[in-house]
Amino acid sequence: EVQLVESGGGLVHPGRSLRLSCAASGSTFDDYAMHWVRQPPGKGLEWVSGISWNSGTIVYADSVKGRFTISRDNAKNSLYLQMNSLRAEDTAFYYCARKSHRETFFDYWGQGTLVTVSS
Amino acid sequence: QSALTQPASVSGSPGQSITISCTGTSSDVGGYNYVSWFQQHPGKAPKLIIYDVSNRPSGVSNLFSGSKSGNTASLTISGLQAEDEADYYCCSYRSGSTWVFGGGTKLTVL
Repeated sequence: EVQLVESGGGLVHPGRSLRLSCAASGSTFDDYAMHWVRQPPGKGLEWVSGISWNSGTIVYADSVKGRFTISRDNAKNSLYLQMNSLRAEDTAFYYCARKSHRETFFDYWGQGTLVTVSS
Repeated sequence: QSALTQPASVSGSPGQSITISCTGTSSDVGGYNYVSWFQQHPGKAPKLIIYDVSNRPSGVSNLFSGSKSGNTASLTISGLQAEDEADYYCCSYRSGSTWVFGGGTKLTVL
């Protein structure tokens, strides 16, 4: 069974940095592109960033471009999100999601990790 | 990067059918058959219920169905059950290798 487990969330002051991790198991990690999706508490989903299986293609939402960096380590079955210059509006649950083999939808999601940006 | 447009809320009685719309543009919903739908219960991660406009993953009830016409996709739930009460989100590929979600629809089963 595919499992995605996020970690690294917490309370951070505006302007500071945080690094999220997503540990994958139950499938061949490097067969799949991976993405981050976030959800402010009580609000809707927002796509954040995606990375291809070999890190050759990386994309970001405009709202995080230049501040967030996505990466992966296939040897460790792990996905990362380095978040710099954090703002209050970055406060959200952050989910990692696997893109299907067809690459047309997200088929598995983690349970999310909460990032709170506040002074 | 504006979100896809969904109604904020819909409601129906057990056994009834409801439809949730998801309106985008020719750069996303209208341009690609890569619309998916997710169900989210409180405190839980989103769960895929429809992919590629109208396909159901294994294990998802056939009471859920999807369709698309032009720039608008739709999710229909036939024979509402109490456990269908949840938030529903559409998602589409958008040109430029990005993805976009709808604002979400809260379904209330009366």
